[in-house]
Amino acid sequence: GQNIDQPTEMTATEGAIVQINCTYQTSGFNGLFWYQQHAGEAPTFLSYNVLDGLEEKGRFSSFLSRSKGYSYLLLKELQMKDSASYLCAASSWTGNMLTFGGGTRLMVKP
Amino acid sequence: KAGVTQTPRYLIKTRGQQVTLSCSPISGHRSVSWYQQTPGQGLQFLFEYFSETQRNKGNFPGRFSGRQFSNSRSEMNVSTLELGDSALYLCASSFQPGTNEQYFGPGTRLTVT
Repeated sequence: GQNIDQPTEMTATEGAIVQINCTYQTSGFNGLFWYQQHAGEAPTFLSYNVLDGLEEKGRFSSFLSRSKGYSYLLLKELQMKDSASYLCAASSWTGNMLTFGGGTRLMVKP
Repeated sequence: KAGVTQTPRYLIKTRGQQVTLSCSPISGHRSVSWYQQTPGQGLQFLFEYFSETQRNKGNFPGRFSGRQFSNSRSEMNVSTLELGDSALYLCASSFQPGTNEQYFGPGTRLTVT
């Protein structure tokens, strides 16, 4: 079956660093997406990892370990606008079907 | 380049009715996927189309159907609406299946009363 787990909520302070973890067990796993979704808006693409290791994009970095079924999203220098839900999603090699986790609601406090 | 567009943005329907939602992918993108988002179930995959063919289908009843046209625009239809169908329906487009990035449209908020 398909199973993706991530924490429901996290709180962090402006300027700090936060790591959002995601574990997955999916058949036909191809890669791991991270999306950001502000309330009432559509998800926006943050990162996509296929190979093991860390990929950095400005303040955001994403890590994947295929052998451990584990990924994390690292957000540095947190800003108030980073308050949003962060969605972890596994893609299948059969196509574009994404299996999403429940999302992590991040609250950034001053 | 214009993003993914979805129409209508908001819709109110009565139980038992049927509804058609439309999605226009980013120009040049040929793969369209549909998702349902609810507070209780999160984001769930409905179906995926590429070159007018359904490639994958999620675990939804047959009341949910879709199609894709030669210009890559896609529609999804829900017949005999139930209260539980109230959700945000999101469309995502990508150049082709298996490519790195899928871009989501703004969604259609469907309310069934």
